[in-house]
Amino acid sequence: DAKTTQPPSMDCAEGRAANLPCNHSTISGNEYVYWYRQIHSQGPQYIIHGLKNNETNEMASLIITEDRKSSTLILPHATLRDTAVYYCIVRPLTSGTYKYIFGTGTRLKVLA
Amino acid sequence: AAGVIQSPRHLIKEKRETATLKCYPIPRHDTVYWYQQGPGQDPQFLISFYEKMQSDKGSIPDRFSAQQFSDYHSELNMSSLELGDSALYFCASRDNRGPPTDTQYFGPGTRLTVL
Repeated sequence: DAKTTQPPSMDCAEGRAANLPCNHSTISGNEYVYWYRQIHSQGPQYIIHGLKNNETNEMASLIITEDRKSSTLILPHATLRDTAVYYCIVRPLTSGTYKYIFGTGTRLKVLA
Repeated sequence: AAGVIQSPRHLIKEKRETATLKCYPIPRHDTVYWYQQGPGQDPQFLISFYEKMQSDKGSIPDRFSAQQFSDYHSELNMSSLELGDSALYFCASRDNRGPPTDTQYFGPGTRLTVL
């Protein structure tokens, strides 16, 4: 499984966009990028995933670079409830078990 | 929508005791994953089951065993508990009949404290 690297922590002002980067320079062609977040010891919550095209849903946008070696999760208008640890996970689609290998994640703190 | 159910939510045990954690997946989900998250650490994959068969194994101690039943619920059995087993244990479920991109949905976790 590809290794991901994320900054350990970030701050963001409430109402502003939060841009969370992830490096996955060893990603292979059959691996998707998934983003989850964990709010204060709750179960990880799915946010979004993508392969090579940019993706958007009601929670966030995912921007993947053309070479796929990095991606950015964008929370367009961060709120205090978005304070959480955000995990970028690279997962192959052909492994059969689809387990997740969590890295260290980014602890996002949204400030009032 | 129905979510993953885990029981109990909190469990306190003494060293060398045994514990059983239960996971009830989302209806129609046939695959279950177990993860362990120690204090201040990130979730670590333990084991997974698909259609009642073990499908993958991670860093699960030999003192732990798990199984999936015909109704797809799963149980994680932990014996000879050690202080280091104190952690949050998450179960996640997935519908393996869907496309490969289908995501895992996590339960609220069981907090195990070993004294």
